[in-house]
Amino acid sequence: DVKVTQSSRYLVKRTGEKVFLECVQDMDHENMFWYRQDPGLGLRLIYFSYDVKMKEKGDIPEGYSVSREKKERFSLILESASTNQTSMYLCASSEDRAADTQYFGPGTRLTVL
Amino acid sequence: AQRVTQPEKLLSVFKGAPVELKCNYSYSGSPELFWYVQYSRQRLQLLLRHISRESIKGFTADLNKGETSFHLKKPFAQEEDSAMYYCALSGYSTLTFGKGTMLLVSP
Repeated sequence: DVKVTQSSRYLVKRTGEKVFLECVQDMDHENMFWYRQDPGLGLRLIYFSYDVKMKEKGDIPEGYSVSREKKERFSLILESASTNQTSMYLCASSEDRAADTQYFGPGTRLTVL
Repeated sequence: AQRVTQPEKLLSVFKGAPVELKCNYSYSGSPELFWYVQYSRQRLQLLLRHISRESIKGFTADLNKGETSFHLKKPFAQEEDSAMYYCALSGYSTLTFGKGTMLLVSP
């Protein structure tokens, strides 16, 4: 059974802080993804990675960066958090192709004050 | 550009009533389509994919290329079906999700 874990369920930060969200998957998946989930806007892709040290911008990369130093770990970084980054952040992984099933983590609800 | 449209933000039905959650897509290639579901306090998970043509929890979805639709249907809704449902389209390397439809099934 695929397990995707995220470092925090809830996080509260202040404007301007640097924020790290961590995601780990245990199934040796090639692809990993970061989304934000907002009411009425659905899931929007921030960044994804198809291999170690590789990253690609998604639909809304502004204000975010990512790091993938190891295959199982994909980090999302908010360089200087802003209130409009208050959201639910979901990490996902998939085996190979885009059409492969994506397995999601439980999410991190980030509040930026 | 690929796009997924779910026209209903909320669909409210009574238990035992038929359910249809609408999904339309725009894609120039041969589409692969999915429905993902998120129950309250649970993580988002795959419900079904069109290529497998299977029924999961009584739900089915047929890909209609002529109408570019992939509507999710269930003949008799149950209270436990209450959840957020997302339609998704596979592109070259990512999925594009719709904005989601909240299904509420009342007793």
